[in-house]
Amino acid sequence: EADIYQTPRYLVIGTGKKITLECSQTMGHDKMYWYQQDPGMELHLIHYSYGVNSTEKGDLSSESTVSRIRTEHFPLTLESARPSHTSQYLCASSGQRYTEAFFGQGTRLTVV
Amino acid sequence: GEDVEQSLFLSVREGDSSVINCTYTDSSSTYLYWYKQEPGAGLQLLTYIFSNMDMKQDQRLTVLLNKKDKHLSLRIADTQTGDSAIYFCAERDSSASKIIFGSGTRLSIRP
Repeated sequence: EADIYQTPRYLVIGTGKKITLECSQTMGHDKMYWYQQDPGMELHLIHYSYGVNSTEKGDLSSESTVSRIRTEHFPLTLESARPSHTSQYLCASSGQRYTEAFFGQGTRLTVV
Repeated sequence: GEDVEQSLFLSVREGDSSVINCTYTDSSSTYLYWYKQEPGAGLQLLTYIFSNMDMKQDQRLTVLLNKKDKHLSLRIADTQTGDSAIYFCAERDSSASKIIFGSGTRLSIRP
């Protein structure tokens, strides 16, 4: 079982609130990723990181921001949540160059 | 840029074989993956294949890779109700920095 954890699993929050989705892994992986998953299933990469102090934007533009101050931690922040941010957010990490990504259980965010 | 495509739905009868297809565009992909997602859960790696292989078998799962056509398939033998899920095809991009996912194929099982 992969050691990557996301909290909270479910979150309902009002418009305009600031939220941080947590993601932690205990595998010492350098690479970490955030994906946004539409209700229609498709996964979109919104942020990734090669290692500490490295963050890159993914293929889908997102109003969220990320930070990577520690190897094991890759939080995602929305400064002002909107209903359009309602989605499932999946965090993943990977180690050696070509190994697979391990996924957390996801955070289902609803903005009302 | 890189793209991975899959059909959205597949329905098979219990006990039959399921074949899920995927096409990708990055000819320099090195690893290709199949992930399974059950309702309300994250993605779980099912199997992967290195680009210099053309087939990999793992119990009920068979992966076929046609590198010339950039086509990947996943065959599930003797499909069971527990195989109902969304199956994602994915590739490592040529820089190995990102994993690009297809849109997912929802597999449903008929009794």
